[in-house]
Amino acid sequence: DAGVTQSPTHLIKTRGQQVTLRCSPKSGHDTVSWYQQALGQGPQFIFQYYEEEERQRGNFPDRFSGHQFPNYSSELNVNALLLGDSALYLCASSPIPGWGTDTQYFGPGTRLTVL
Amino acid sequence: GIQVEQSPPDLILQEGANSTLRCNFSDSVNNLQWFHQNPWGQLINLFYIPSGTKQNGRLSATTVATERYSLLYISSSQTTDSGVYFCAVPTGGADGLTFGKGTHLIIQP
Repeated sequence: DAGVTQSPTHLIKTRGQQVTLRCSPKSGHDTVSWYQQALGQGPQFIFQYYEEEERQRGNFPDRFSGHQFPNYSSELNVNALLLGDSALYLCASSPIPGWGTDTQYFGPGTRLTVL
Repeated sequence: GIQVEQSPPDLILQEGANSTLRCNFSDSVNNLQWFHQNPWGQLINLFYIPSGTKQNGRLSATTVATERYSLLYISSSQTTDSGVYFCAVPTGGADGLTFGKGTHLIIQP
């Protein structure tokens, strides 16, 4: 039973570029959430997707957008990259959303470096 | 929004020692999770514990929801327990999690 998978593992971009990160949820899960973790900090919630729609969003600008596909996999897109976007990006999956009552399982993350 | 505070921020112990990590949260919650982040960044689920006490081997956790805190106990520490321990609670009643800043635990041989 595969857990949450993410690609790529590492990525280096320059300021102003755009990036796409990918996530496949744990088998049996159809809700995907994205988090940003800066060095030395706890993860911060970006947004959550369920039934191919953004269900909940954290305090992140519109440069951060996402998509969920019919097979429940998801993409995170970041436009006009800033140096401050350098971070570990984590994807988490959970079963049908239960208003905060479900366990979330995390993938290994994508480490993004913006130069 | 809800605030999550963890203490201590750093903890250095010798192998075999016991430790207690604390998580305080500012509002009522219906979910609380403890995670261990290994040196490669992987967040590993330890406990889903909205209330009460759970045990898993050398680790146990207690959440007192009415007093808005949770404790993670690690007994007979091993070097492999090193890493950062996070607690997280739902953000505003939905599923996105709010994390504390973590406790960085170092177990020395």
